Order: sequence, then C-alpha cells, then structure tokens
Amino acid sequence: LAKTTQPISMDSYEGQEVNITCSHNNIATNDYITWYQQFPSQGPRFIIQGYKTKVTNEVASLFIPADRKSSTLSLPRVSLSDTAVYYCLVTALGAGSYQLTFGKGTKLSVIP
Amino acid sequence: EAGVTQFPSHSVIEKGQTVTLRCDPISGHDNLYWYRRVMGKEIKFLLHFVKESKQDESGMPNNRFLAERTGGTYSTLKVQPAELEDSGVYFCASSQVGDTTYEQYFGPGTRLTVT
Repeated sequence: LAKTTQPISMDSYEGQEVNITCSHNNIATNDYITWYQQFPSQGPRFIIQGYKTKVTNEVASLFIPADRKSSTLSLPRVSLSDTAVYYCLVTALGAGSYQLTFGKGTKLSVIP
Repeated sequence: EAGVTQFPSHSVIEKGQTVTLRCDPISGHDNLYWYRRVMGKEIKFLLHFVKESKQDESGMPNNRFLAERTGGTYSTLKVQPAELEDSGVYFCASSQVGDTTYEQYFGPGTRLTVT
C-alpha cells in the first residue's frame, strides 16, 4: 500500500480557500486517491475520490498531477463548520477487500 | 435514509470482562467493515464482511476478538476477555457491493474503555 504524507495541522480564516496537499510517491497504477473528513465524536465521512487530473463536487475539488505522486484537496471559502480532520487515502481498485488505510490526517482549524 | 448505527455509544468495563458491540449497516449494504482507533494511533481496519461471509479478517488483532454477521444484516464484535490495550473507539462502516468508489458510510463509533 502506498504511504501517504500530509501536514499534521493547518489554520485558516473563515472565507478563505484551503488547500491540503498529500504526497504518495509510491502510488501504484491501479490506486485511487480518496479523501475523508472526520468531525469530533463522529466517524469519517467520504468527501471526494479521483484517479488523475481534476475532480470537483459540491463540497471540494481534488487536483492530481500527471505523475500522481501527490494530490491536493481544495476547500473553497471555508467556514467554522469545516473544522475537522482530513484524511488522504490511497486504495487499490479491485483488490477484493476495500479496506481503508488511514494515516494521521490533517487537523484543519478554521478561525473566525 | 437511516445511516449506520452503533450500540452502545460508550462502554466501560473491567479488564477480563466481555463486551459485545453492535453495528447496524445501512439497509441494502452488503459490505460491512469494522475499524478501530486505539489511543494516539490511526484508525485501523479490522475486518470486512460481504453479507454473512468474512471477506477479509486480516486486521483482527488476536483471537479475543470475534465478529459475526448472522443473516447478513447487523454485525456484532465481541471482545473476550477485554484487555487494557483494547480501549479505543470502534467504528463500523458499510457500503454497497459493486460501488466503484471507496465511499464507506461510517457510524459514530463505540468508545470502549477497559479499566
């Protein structure tokens, strides 16, 4: 499994765009990149998934360069409610068991 | 649509006792997963059911842990006998078979404290 590295913590003011970068130098051809969000006292929640280039949904955007050795989660105009831990995961497609491998995540604190 | 539910939300037991955690997945989800986070560590995979069958139990720490999913609906995770290092938060997640994303729906977790 490809190991992921991301910042331990980040601070941002309300209304700003936040970019969290994750490195996964050993990503394999059939690996997907997935991001989860976790609020205190809750389970993780799926945000977005991608393989290459750019993916956008109503919550976030995911940018993946051509070499796929890193990815950036972009949260537009964050609010206080976006304070959470964000996990970058790399998971092999078609591996049979879709177990998720979590790292330490990035603790995002949004400041008023 | 109801989400994944877990019971109890918090359990405090003494070392050597037995505890059973329950997970009710989203209706229609054949995939069911157990994860746990012990103090100061990352969330770790325990096992994966497809319906009532264990697809992958490579993350189960030892034979004190027994997971079941009779009938392919809810699942239980029994810890017997509990040890101090079993303290942590146990998460259950579910997903649909054939879903091509890695979107697993997590429950709120059961916080287990072994004293």
